[in-house]
Amino acid sequence: DAKTTQPPSMDCAEGRAANLPCNHSTISGNEYVYWYRQIHSQGPQYIIHGLKNNETNEMASLIITEDRKSSTLILPHATLRDTAVYYCIVRVVDSNYQLIWGAGTKLIIKP
Amino acid sequence: GAVVSQHPSWVICKSGTSVKIECRSLDFQATTMFWYRQFPKQSLMLMATSNEGSKATYEQGVEKDKFLINHASLTLSTLTVTSAHPEDSSFYICSARDRGGAGGYQETQYFGPGTRLLVL
Repeated sequence: DAKTTQPPSMDCAEGRAANLPCNHSTISGNEYVYWYRQIHSQGPQYIIHGLKNNETNEMASLIITEDRKSSTLILPHATLRDTAVYYCIVRVVDSNYQLIWGAGTKLIIKP
Repeated sequence: GAVVSQHPSWVICKSGTSVKIECRSLDFQATTMFWYRQFPKQSLMLMATSNEGSKATYEQGVEKDKFLINHASLTLSTLTVTSAHPEDSSFYICSARDRGGAGGYQETQYFGPGTRLLVL
């Protein structure tokens, strides 16, 4: 079973920041938080990942709370092309490096 | 990020035939690749984990004799759906593990664009 909880859907206005929350209250100290997104009929796209520090790349920022029990993915200036299902995944730490997929958040960017 | 390709992107076949799907890591070596299946409006379901040079590990409920996986090189894994039936129609997605050189924090999994299979 997935170890994360995300809202099923969210709306955001084009040009505004999209903030997607994720709860992972049972995360272990050596587990990472990964974010992927899946645009309709495509394979998932890697966005960002982190352990405990906040991270930023050209796509997004990841804010992880100090207790690591939740995180927020921030898309700073959402565009219509950011409409997708966003998955927050806690990395299972074993030799097979499996990702356990939940239902994700359907983010709809509105003009 | 790293690029993973899949071929074909679309395939339509008759019931009873076999279909092979290729997954390639284009700019990195992948000791581990994964195969997923996704039905409409559902999340990804892991089918099997493929390690280069060894037998694949299948998830519970996935028939290894029906879904043959070969990972003969560090850049290529293939999934063959044998004797396909209409219930095998689905979106098949592969991913490849990029260890980023050092492994650990640098490690990321990248996905192919998917292959849509329709069995008539």
